[in-house]
Amino acid sequence: GQNIDQPTEMTATEGAIVQINCTYQTSGFNGLFWYQQHAGEAPTFLSYNVLDGLEEKGRFSSFLSRSKGYSYLLLKELQMKDSASYLCAVRGGGNNRLAFGKGNQVVVIP
Amino acid sequence: GAVVSQHPSRVICKSGTSVKIECRSLDFQATTMFWYRQFPKQSLMLMATSNEGSKATYEQGVEKDKFLINHASLTLSTLTVTSAHPEDSSFYICSAPTGSGPQHFGDGTRLSIL
Repeated sequence: GQNIDQPTEMTATEGAIVQINCTYQTSGFNGLFWYQQHAGEAPTFLSYNVLDGLEEKGRFSSFLSRSKGYSYLLLKELQMKDSASYLCAVRGGGNNRLAFGKGNQVVVIP
Repeated sequence: GAVVSQHPSRVICKSGTSVKIECRSLDFQATTMFWYRQFPKQSLMLMATSNEGSKATYEQGVEKDKFLINHASLTLSTLTVTSAHPEDSSFYICSAPTGSGPQHFGDGTRLSIL
């Protein structure tokens, strides 16, 4: 099976940088995904890592270490609209299914 | 724009009613689609994998006679919640993978059973 762990909530100031961590255990790892989910809405795709290293996409970056079963999402220049839950999802087990962590709620304050 | 369309976005109905939710892939074919359920402040829980032209694969603990899945074409999967009860009230979301890339989600259906 798959086991994914994320911290639950954090508060940060507008303009700041926030790092959200995700650790996982899975067999047949085939990619780690980060999604943003606003309250009452479906998740939207942010980034995808399948190889070790950093993927940068505008204000969002994601890092992966497969040997450590660890990823982080970095949010720079925080904006109020970034207040949301950030979900880490792992694809593994030899199929295309995703297993989601519980999500990390980020609250951005002025 | 959206690559996966889900309809309806909101359903409110009486206990015992059956509710059908549609999930369409736009501009791409999806031999596989996924159906998730999410309770308030909980993570997305995979209910089943919808397979075009064959039976759906259900996760442990999900009643296949309760949640009927039909994947009749390469762009459409439907989930029918049969004889829905208040405990079935939840946020139902479908997704479709784009090849080896990310899964894209529909907008979700908020189901409220009175």
